Amino acid sequence: SAVISQKPSRDICQRGTSLTIQCQVDSQVTMMFWYRQQPGQSLTLIATANQGSEATYESGFVIDKFPISRPNLTFSTLTVSNMSPEDSSIYLCSVEVSRSTGELFFGEGSRLTVL
Amino acid sequence: DQQVKQNSPSLSVQEGRISILNCDYTNSMFDYFLWYKKYPAEGPTFLISISSIKDKNEDGRFTVFLNKSAKHLSLHIVPSQPGDSAVYFCAASPSSNTGKLIFGQGTTLQVKP
Repeated sequence: SAVISQKPSRDICQRGTSLTIQCQVDSQVTMMFWYRQQPGQSLTLIATANQGSEATYESGFVIDKFPISRPNLTFSTLTVSNMSPEDSSIYLCSVEVSRSTGELFFGEGSRLTVL
Repeated sequence: DQQVKQNSPSLSVQEGRISILNCDYTNSMFDYFLWYKKYPAEGPTFLISISSIKDKNEDGRFTVFLNKSAKHLSLHIVPSQPGDSAVYFCAASPSSNTGKLIFGQGTTLQVKP
């Protein structure tokens, strides 16, 4: 399976600031996926990051709040903009393992706390 | 609306006994169902999956059962070990949406020595 490195692993942020999370994969992948897990909640897909095109956002998530970059086939960033305490979550980068089963491989996540 | 539900937020079992984690879903168009395990400060790790055309899949101590008529699946762990203590997520994979797994809320399993 792939090796996914996420930075930062955790951070404490002030309300109104923005933070960029980096995701590095050890192999080239077509699509990378950003998920969010709010405290005590399930994991929810934020967007799909495609190399060479704009990210595709799920309902309830917008580019202005969560801008995504995908400069090459091994790297992506997710920015959480103008943060509020409601953005306190674990943000997870993932890649597809099996198209037939839908299995994803996840990074270790970035735990953000917004004060 | 919650398409995948895990109604038990927590479960405690004795080491060596069977752990049964349950999951219900509402959408009959899901192609695959998956179980993930998550330890604190780590990302979810894949455990086992089952196709919607099967009713059972077994891998070592882990077995997943699917009851399509009831829109219900369960994960059996036997025998349970203290190292199995983690949060378990049920997830469903829609056939047309690559990368979009729909997760339940998770069940925290505690296996007592």
